[in-house]
Amino acid sequence: GAGVSQSPRYKVAKRGQDVALRCDPISGHVSLFWYQQALGQGPEFLTYFQNEAQLDKSGLPSDRFFAERPEGSVSTLKIQRTQQEDSAVYLCASSGPRGHQPQHFGDGTRLSIL
Amino acid sequence: KQEVTQIPAALSVPEGENLVLNCSFTDSAIYNLQWFRQDPGKGLTSLLLIQSSQREQTSGRLNASLDKSSGRSTLYIAASQPGDSATYLCAVRVLTGGGNKLTFGTGTQLKVEL
Repeated sequence: GAGVSQSPRYKVAKRGQDVALRCDPISGHVSLFWYQQALGQGPEFLTYFQNEAQLDKSGLPSDRFFAERPEGSVSTLKIQRTQQEDSAVYLCASSGPRGHQPQHFGDGTRLSIL
Repeated sequence: KQEVTQIPAALSVPEGENLVLNCSFTDSAIYNLQWFRQDPGKGLTSLLLIQSSQREQTSGRLNASLDKSSGRSTLYIAASQPGDSATYLCAVRVLTGGGNKLTFGTGTQLKVEL
């Protein structure tokens, strides 16, 4: 597709379950980013990939959060043993390889932990 | 640590008014600044991107300015329309230590009334 695609759009899970969120970046975009957006707040950086290499994971809130991009295209954000505070919208963005290029965002996955 | 602040948090104006949204950031060592629009339940749509060497960018009724030394940017919307109602976010991009991420403000929620 022409834009960044995320699935599922909505996910409800019980506390303690594991979840996996998927991101399909714009074709040819080597940079991929994950952000977490709490209600009424701006997005907060989680992690960044260039191709398959995870170059920055400084924003991941705990070791329960794990992201991968094994073939340098699709990425998966996994959250293990979910907690209520993990409830948020998870946004994925992609961009070209150069820092001056804009980031393009998907519509996000809204995660609710019961 | 980079902090981004947006003022006002919310704004309501009648249709046709010109308006200014403000963004300030604490660390002037930015690579670029990007303005986004977010509609309810949606991802972010990029509006304008200003490189650190630029002073302003224009797209249609939108004009964004950047004063890097004072840590400020403004988004000017001319002749506002009800379709402009959304949350507007500014974000600064830094490229330090191998990182490459956007730091967002909390947004200005704009309502343009008929």
